[in-house]
Amino acid sequence: KAGVTQTPRYLIKTRGQQVTLSCSPISGHRSVSWYQQTPGQGLQFLFEYFSETQRNKGNFPGRFSGRQFSNSRSEMNVSTLELGDSALYLCASSPLRIQLNTEAFFGQGTRLTVV
Amino acid sequence: SQQGEEDPQALSIQEGENATMNCSYKTSINNLQWYRQNSGRGLVHLILIRSNEREKHSGRLRVTLDTSKKSSSLLITASRAADTASYFCAPVPPGNTPLVFGKGTRLSVIA
Repeated sequence: KAGVTQTPRYLIKTRGQQVTLSCSPISGHRSVSWYQQTPGQGLQFLFEYFSETQRNKGNFPGRFSGRQFSNSRSEMNVSTLELGDSALYLCASSPLRIQLNTEAFFGQGTRLTVV
Repeated sequence: SQQGEEDPQALSIQEGENATMNCSYKTSINNLQWYRQNSGRGLVHLILIRSNEREKHSGRLRVTLDTSKKSSSLLITASRAADTASYFCAPVPPGNTPLVFGKGTRLSVIA
């Protein structure tokens, strides 16, 4: 069974540009969550999607958005990039929602550098 | 706040020694999960312990949960250099809440 796949693995963007990151969950998983990890702020929750609906959203500005498709694949978009958006972006999938005693499976992440 | 708080922030031990990490939290929970992250990579799930369980084992890992004290501990026995990583706990409350993480414990196992 293939794991969680995030593309691209590495990305360099210029301040002011926008970027779209992709996450393909494990087959059969319906829940996808996104996280931003930086040395200063640690691992911060961005979004949670389940069955194409956003179930939770972290404390991030409106420049950060996401969506989930009918095949459970998810994308997140960051518009008007700032230097502080440089981070490792992690995606995690699970078969059900976490409250139902299920574990999360993480991808290897997308390393975004904003210059 | 829902997230757990790991203690200590950093731990350095010799190969073969045991490593103990603690997690405290503030809310009631359905379960509590432990994850490991090697530098710059994704998190890997280690153990899930349900609120009605007190102890769980997986290989060299032992997790305890004390819901009355709202705390959990992760014990790694006979540590190896490959155990060098950051370890995170994630308390999962009931209701519509996401999986969130604290700052983690950075474990260094010296060969």
